[in-house]
Amino acid sequence: AQKVTQAQTEISVVEKEDVTLDCVYETRDTTYYLFWYKQPPSGELVFLIRRNSFDEQNEISGRYSWNFQKSTSSFNFTITASQVVDSAVYFCALSVQGGDYKLSFGAGTTVTVRA
Amino acid sequence: KAGVTQTPRYLIKTRGQQVTLSCSPISGHRSVSWYQQTPGQGLQFLFEYFSETQRNKGNFPGRFSGRQFSNSRSEMNVSTLELGDSALYLCASSLYIENSYEQYFGPGTRLTVT
Repeated sequence: AQKVTQAQTEISVVEKEDVTLDCVYETRDTTYYLFWYKQPPSGELVFLIRRNSFDEQNEISGRYSWNFQKSTSSFNFTITASQVVDSAVYFCALSVQGGDYKLSFGAGTTVTVRA
Repeated sequence: KAGVTQTPRYLIKTRGQQVTLSCSPISGHRSVSWYQQTPGQGLQFLFEYFSETQRNKGNFPGRFSGRQFSNSRSEMNVSTLELGDSALYLCASSLYIENSYEQYFGPGTRLTVT
């Protein structure tokens, strides 16, 4: 079975501060996919990034960056220079190859960015 | 390209009634998944359909069912509604690319059972 843990329940920062969200996952599968989604107050889950288990290269996309480390089963996500519009709930999710698109979600981290 | 659409957006039902929710995936996507989101249980997988066949099902009672049509549109049905079925129901359509895939979610249907 797959499990995703987001230990941080809430994070509050002042605008322009960086925010790092932690995600730890568990799976016995060797091929899997990791995702980060954002859920603003409107409720829609917005796809942010996806990473394959066989690609540990960390990248930066605009103000978003991620740190994928298989050795520690972690997939952390950073928002650089946060803005008020970044306020939302952020979910880390895991899917395994052959999992027929089933996503296992973490409990989510609520990020509040204050002006 | 149009995104995933869900109808209705809001719904209020009473206990014992049944409800049908609809989801239209992104054009070209053949997989549709359904998730239930509640404050207590978080986001939980309900089921997934691909080419009109249910391929995967989560741990939900038989009152929860679904189907997919030939145009990939999907419906989910909940019979004999209970107060605990109050939730945000999210639909996602998926596309397999580059040995991986992406899932895009719709805006959800917020169901309130009174």
